[in-house]
Amino acid sequence: EIVLTQFPGTLSLSPGERATLSCWASQSVSSNYLAWYQQKPGQAPRLLIYGASSRATGFPDRFSGSGSGTDFTLNITRLEPEDSAVYHCQQYGSSPPTFGRGTTVEIK
Amino acid sequence: QLQLQESGPGLVKPSETLSLTCTVSGDSVSNINYYWGWIRQPPGKGLEWIGSIYYTGGTYYYPSLESRVTISVDTSKNQFSLRLNSVTAADTAVYYCAKLPLDGDYVDLWGQGTLVTVSS
Repeated sequence: EIVLTQFPGTLSLSPGERATLSCWASQSVSSNYLAWYQQKPGQAPRLLIYGASSRATGFPDRFSGSGSGTDFTLNITRLEPEDSAVYHCQQYGSSPPTFGRGTTVEIK
Repeated sequence: QLQLQESGPGLVKPSETLSLTCTVSGDSVSNINYYWGWIRQPPGKGLEWIGSIYYTGGTYYYPSLESRVTISVDTSKNQFSLRLNSVTAADTAVYYCAKLPLDGDYVDLWGQGTLVTVSS
């Protein structure tokens, strides 16, 4: 199965700054079938990005996904306090679907 | 507006069977445009795919859980269910039911999740 490694583990930034989150795959992700989810404390995850770069309904264009093959990135510009969350990546190009361990974004 | 709600015991004894149900509201579990799935998250850990089902009954299970998992659908009750047998403490987790689009095994709608603890 494809192992996803997310880094950094934790990102601590100030409002207005830019966050860059990475997700590396142990094998190439077929058709760039990679998703990102946002999970706030005590809540279920929420779909943020699918197909590596398509933004889900309800998220502003401050959030963007990019990448291909084994290297994927989630960028969050102009950070706001409500962006504090754990961000998970998931590949669905190969069975079984697998998730990374998540990156925690803290807003100072 | 489609919503998912998990229900079931919050405490299960080791070696017994974990059973959870997901009630679908706002749409039909027989909608041909969706799959339905279960994902879990052990305390302080990452997410783990359990499996998925189509309304016709076709299933896919995560290989390491396949021998212990059954996912089923009840179209008359607009529900789908998870059974995990021979549980151990390692199965303690928040269990989420989920809606999956036709174009891939990702989750575009999550239930709120329910914590299941395996303990005697």
